Amino acid sequence: AQSVTQLGSHVSVSEGALVLLRCNYSSSVPPYLFWYVQYPNQGLQLLLKYTTGATLVKGINGFEAEFKKSETSFHLTKPSAHMSDAAEYFCAVYGGATNKLIFGTGTLLAVQP
Amino acid sequence: NAGVMQNPRHLVRRRGQEARLRCSPMKGHSHVYWYRQLPEEGLKFMVYLQKENIIDESGMPKERFSAEFPKEGPSILRIQQVVRGDSAAYFCASSPPLTGAVNEQFFGPGTRLTVL
Repeated sequence: AQSVTQLGSHVSVSEGALVLLRCNYSSSVPPYLFWYVQYPNQGLQLLLKYTTGATLVKGINGFEAEFKKSETSFHLTKPSAHMSDAAEYFCAVYGGATNKLIFGTGTLLAVQP
Repeated sequence: NAGVMQNPRHLVRRRGQEARLRCSPMKGHSHVYWYRQLPEEGLKFMVYLQKENIIDESGMPKERFSAEFPKEGPSILRIQQVVRGDSAAYFCASSPPLTGAVNEQFFGPGTRLTVL
């Protein structure tokens, strides 16, 4: 069975600082991994996804994530935080045959001026 | 191409009433998924439907909840005799017919259900 763990329910960074949001997964098959962002009172928007191939994945808004099989991790990073990055971020793993996504509990990112 | 549409955006019901949540997938999408987000939690899968078929309902509570995706019209998530614990945001996502190992799911803005 697949599962996702996001370490740190709240992360606060200063504007211009590095953003690092942690995600570890458990999967009995090669995983497909996703990061979504949710702005207040809105739906989820896909930031990036890993399926196969290159382990460093670039997404929208300057975010990227690296798939590390040996560490079962898929951490999300951005070199320089912007105020508009303040939102909740969800890591998810593809649940296999029935196409469902299995989400982590989310990390709320605050960006301080 | 309009995105996934959900209505209503906000729904208030009293305990014991019925709630009907609607989801219109993106044009060309034949797969619909419903997720529930309880306060302070991540999204939890509820049900996966294709036109006129329920493919996976492993996340649906056994009682009071049902879902359909008819040949014509939106997908409906129906909650009968609502209780306070049903208060949550309900998100619908859609995807096109599978063309590879995994298809991106596009999410709607959600319906926020409040049970008084």
